[in-house]
Amino acid sequence: SQKIEQNSEALNIQEGKTATLTCNYTNYSPAYLQWYRQDPGRGPVFLLLIRENEKEKRKERLKVTFDTTLKQSLFHITASQPADSATYLCALDTSGTYKYIFGTGTRLKVLA
Amino acid sequence: KAGVTQTPRYLIKTRGQQVTLSCSPISGHRSVSWYQQTPGQGLQFLFEYFSETQRNKGNFPGRFSGRQFSNSRSEMNVSTLELGDSALYLCASSLGELEKLFFGSGTQLSVL
Repeated sequence: SQKIEQNSEALNIQEGKTATLTCNYTNYSPAYLQWYRQDPGRGPVFLLLIRENEKEKRKERLKVTFDTTLKQSLFHITASQPADSATYLCALDTSGTYKYIFGTGTRLKVLA
Repeated sequence: KAGVTQTPRYLIKTRGQQVTLSCSPISGHRSVSWYQQTPGQGLQFLFEYFSETQRNKGNFPGRFSGRQFSNSRSEMNVSTLELGDSALYLCASSLGELEKLFFGSGTQLSVL
């Protein structure tokens, strides 16, 4: 069956460090992968999209990599700040089916 | 541009009742998806509509249904509520396939 795993439920890091979150998938061949941020009581907010033919994508302090051989995406937040504390979700498209499969998320806490 | 609007924000129902949730997508977005989010299961796909047509449905019982109107607004209905239906129900709109999702803040449903 199709499955997405995000490396850990929770991750605590010190302010200023780089946070690295992992998304692994099996039994998929996604055309692209997305990362979202979700704050408590709110809906997810889109952050970045990376296509299967792209190795890396950057946006300000955010960087995403996509390795289709390893079936893995890494999401990095550099120079992390307490305001980055949230749950981060990865999502895969399932081409032609009009639905996304979401990982269960990693709850990131940046300590001041 | 207004975001995705979901009403009501909170809802408390008892077992056996039915409920209707509403979603107004971003203007110009013709695709509307619904997701159920629970602490244990994460985001689970319910269904997707495009121009009033349901294009896909997730693995939920027939008690869960939805529809989309000609103005792209969407409703979902859950009949014969069960305790396990307690969840955050999220609506997302997009321009179409392979596009990022814009989520509403969700409807928090509690079934007592």
